[in-house]
Amino acid sequence: AQSVSQHNHHVILSEAASLELGCNYSYGGTVNLFWYVQYPGQHLQLLLKYFSGDPLVKGIKGFEAEFIKSKFSFNLRKPSVQWSDTAEYFCAVNGDNYGQNFVFGPGTRLSVLP
Amino acid sequence: KAGVTQTPRYLIKTRGQQVTLSCSPISGHRSVSWYQQTPGQGLQFLFEYFSETQRNKGNFPGRFSGRQFSNSRSEMNVSTLELGDSALYLCASSGGDRGYQETQYFGPGTRLLVL
Repeated sequence: AQSVSQHNHHVILSEAASLELGCNYSYGGTVNLFWYVQYPGQHLQLLLKYFSGDPLVKGIKGFEAEFIKSKFSFNLRKPSVQWSDTAEYFCAVNGDNYGQNFVFGPGTRLSVLP
Repeated sequence: KAGVTQTPRYLIKTRGQQVTLSCSPISGHRSVSWYQQTPGQGLQFLFEYFSETQRNKGNFPGRFSGRQFSNSRSEMNVSTLELGDSALYLCASSGGDRGYQETQYFGPGTRLLVL
């Protein structure tokens, strides 16, 4: 079965630190990859997505992610986090045989200390 | 464009009851998917509707059902509620006609508490 893993359950950083959240998926076919963010009390919002082309994709709020096909990975990065980045981050995969069934990772909670 | 809306936002029910949740997709979107979010299991796919037909289904018991209307609005029903059904139920919409190459946009969710 398809699955998505996220390396860290909870990450704590100080403001201005760099961020990298890991995401790996298990599926051998063609995939679309997403990172969603859920701020406290708010709904899931799309941060960025990869469908094809340049494996380095840029999203909103200074986030970027790199798709490495050989490693089945789609890690999220931000060079300098802010307190307002405190949220839960979800990696999601939609494969070419999934239909509309997005498979989500368990999420990584990010706490940024002021 | 208005986003995905879900009603009600909060519900409290008791075991054995049934519940109906509603979702209105983004205007023009024809696909509606439902997810259950719990602290232990994370986000799990329930089912997807497109053009009033269930097109895809996750691994949930038959107590969980849904439907979609001609205006793309969707409802989800859970019968014979169990304590474990307490969760945040999320609805997501997308255009629906690009196969797997679509982006889903999520609503705020309905938080269901079963006592």
